[in-house]
Amino acid sequence: GQNIDQPTEMTATEGAIVQINCTYQTSGFNGLFWYQQHAGEAPTFLSYNVLDGLEEKGRFSSFLSRSKGYSYLLLKELQMKDSASYLCAVTDSNYQLIWGAGTKLIIKP
Amino acid sequence: DTAVSQTPKYLVTQMGNDKSIKCEQNLGHDTMYWYKQDSKKFLKIMFSYNNKELIINETVPNRFSPKSPDKAHLNLHINSLELGDSAVYFCASSQEFSGGSGANVLTFGAGSRLTVL
Repeated sequence: GQNIDQPTEMTATEGAIVQINCTYQTSGFNGLFWYQQHAGEAPTFLSYNVLDGLEEKGRFSSFLSRSKGYSYLLLKELQMKDSASYLCAVTDSNYQLIWGAGTKLIIKP
Repeated sequence: DTAVSQTPKYLVTQMGNDKSIKCEQNLGHDTMYWYKQDSKKFLKIMFSYNNKELIINETVPNRFSPKSPDKAHLNLHINSLELGDSAVYFCASSQEFSGGSGANVLTFGAGSRLTVL
């Protein structure tokens, strides 16, 4: 079966760095996405990786290793507004999106 | 300008009723989706339409019927509502369904919270 695993919840301190991991087992691979979802709001796109390596976008970076079926989202200089759920999703060989259950990130002052 | 708009935002209704949620996107995207997010926050695909044609139809009760009059609109009609239908329903669109370079990045609507009493 197809599966995406990510931690249920993480806590970090304002100003610090946090890494949210995602491992996947899918039928084929056509890209990995990270979305951010604040409570009561819609998910919004953060990053897309299709090749191995690190993609940096401001305070957020996303890493992919296709051979290991592994990705992480790195958030630097954490701000209170980064408190949200972070959803990992993988596009399989049929271009269907397989979603993880999301990681709830709690930022403490 | 709202990119993906869905109405209503909140819907409270009795079991057994029929209700509809409307969705429109002004992004010129070819593909539209309906997702269900339950209380555990897990996003589950229900339907996907590409240029008005149904391309994904997951295991969803046939009480749920999507309708796409044109590629900018995808409405969801639900018959005989049940308690378990209570959830947030998200409409989304993407430039393509199977494009590379992230052409299938999703833009979501704000969600419609359905409560069945």
